[in-house]
Amino acid sequence: EVQLVQSGAEVKKPGQSLKISCRTSGYNFTNYWIGWVRQMPGKGLEWVGIIYPGDSDTNYSPAFEGQVTMSADKSITTAYLQWSTLKASDTAIYYCTRTRTAGELGSAWNHWGQGTLVTVSS
Amino acid sequence: SSELTQESDVSVALGQTVRITCQGDSLRNFYASWYQQKPGQAPLLVFYGKESRPSGIPGRFSGSRSGNTASLSITGAQAEDEAVYYCNCRGNTALELLVFGGGTRLTVL
Repeated sequence: EVQLVQSGAEVKKPGQSLKISCRTSGYNFTNYWIGWVRQMPGKGLEWVGIIYPGDSDTNYSPAFEGQVTMSADKSITTAYLQWSTLKASDTAIYYCTRTRTAGELGSAWNHWGQGTLVTVSS
Repeated sequence: SSELTQESDVSVALGQTVRITCQGDSLRNFYASWYQQKPGQAPLLVFYGKESRPSGIPGRFSGSRSGNTASLSITGAQAEDEAVYYCNCRGNTALELLVFGGGTRLTVL
């Protein structure tokens, strides 16, 4: 069974750093794109970016380029999203998700983590 | 442009048919996928590609595409279909590979 299990909720202050995780199991981690999606309070879904764990190829949505860093650790089949300097506007739920088809960057994402709530407040 | 436009709110009477639309230039080149999100839950893929429905999704969900518009139809809407629905598609540029629509809140009356 494919599973994506995300790390727990975080409360941080502006200016602090943060790294959240998405631990995967039940499939070949290196063969499927993983995406990160932001959902701000009461708002819609936005792509943060995508990563291909096989070679760590990444693509960031323009709004997030330079603001966050995605990475993947093949040895523990876990993907990460990190911030070096958090802002109040980073407050949101962040989901990790996986493509339906191996090796293909299609538009269908059929496995989702439960979401990580990140709260940034002074 | 890679933007996808959806209706903000749509309502349907219980048991009737409803169509939710998604407009954007990239839909001329790529198929959309559709996601259902209920309060406090992660999104759920309900339809993708030309005519594919994931295992476990009821047959009352279907999709179509014409020109720059993709549609998700629910035939015989049920109370449990009340949710926000998002379309998603590949983008038209290398800078924006993937795009979500703004979401449509579906109310079942």
